[in-house]
Amino acid sequence: EDQVTQSPEALRLQEGESSSLNCSYTVSGLRGLFWYRQDPGKGPEFLFTLYSAGEEKEKERLKATLTKKESFLHITAPKPEDSATYLCAARPTSGTYKYIFGTGTRLKVLA
Amino acid sequence: DAGVTQSPTHLIKTRGQQVTLRCSPKSGHDTVSWYQQALGQGPQFIFQYYEEEERQRGNFPDRFSGHQFPNYSSELNVNALLLGDSALYLCASSAQGNSNQPQHFGDGTRLSIL
Repeated sequence: EDQVTQSPEALRLQEGESSSLNCSYTVSGLRGLFWYRQDPGKGPEFLFTLYSAGEEKEKERLKATLTKKESFLHITAPKPEDSATYLCAARPTSGTYKYIFGTGTRLKVLA
Repeated sequence: DAGVTQSPTHLIKTRGQQVTLRCSPKSGHDTVSWYQQALGQGPQFIFQYYEEEERQRGNFPDRFSGHQFPNYSSELNVNALLLGDSALYLCASSAQGNSNQPQHFGDGTRLSIL
């Protein structure tokens, strides 16, 4: 069964304390791995798409990487405004159009 | 450039009632997907519409139905509401129905069932 698991469930960091969020996926072929940020009461905001193992994408303090079994979202020197829930989603191959989401990591960055 | 818009933002219904939620996709997008997000969970895929037809469906009962209009906007209908249907309903749109373009989400409709 296709599945996406994220860890940790919650993470508290001091401002400037770098860390990584993990997304493990088990799907029947990966067509794309997507990272989203979700603020309370809002919809997910698209961050990155990764397509193949070894690929990396960067945006400001965020860097996403992909292996054959997992993806990492590295947060360098985070700021309080980076506090949010980070969701990853996998789109399997085999003619499916749906995204399979993990349950997210709730990140809190303290000033 | 307007993003994905959903209406209403909040809705309160009672068990057994029916509800219709609406979505306008981002400009240039032709594909609409609907997701259900329970509190503290990730979004769960309900179905996707492309070219006015349901192209794929997730593990949701027939009480959940939808429609896509010629202007690509979409509706989600839920009949015989249950308490467990309380959730945030998200609409996502993407471009070029057969590509791997990322889905862009609206801010959702918060549905509460009493």
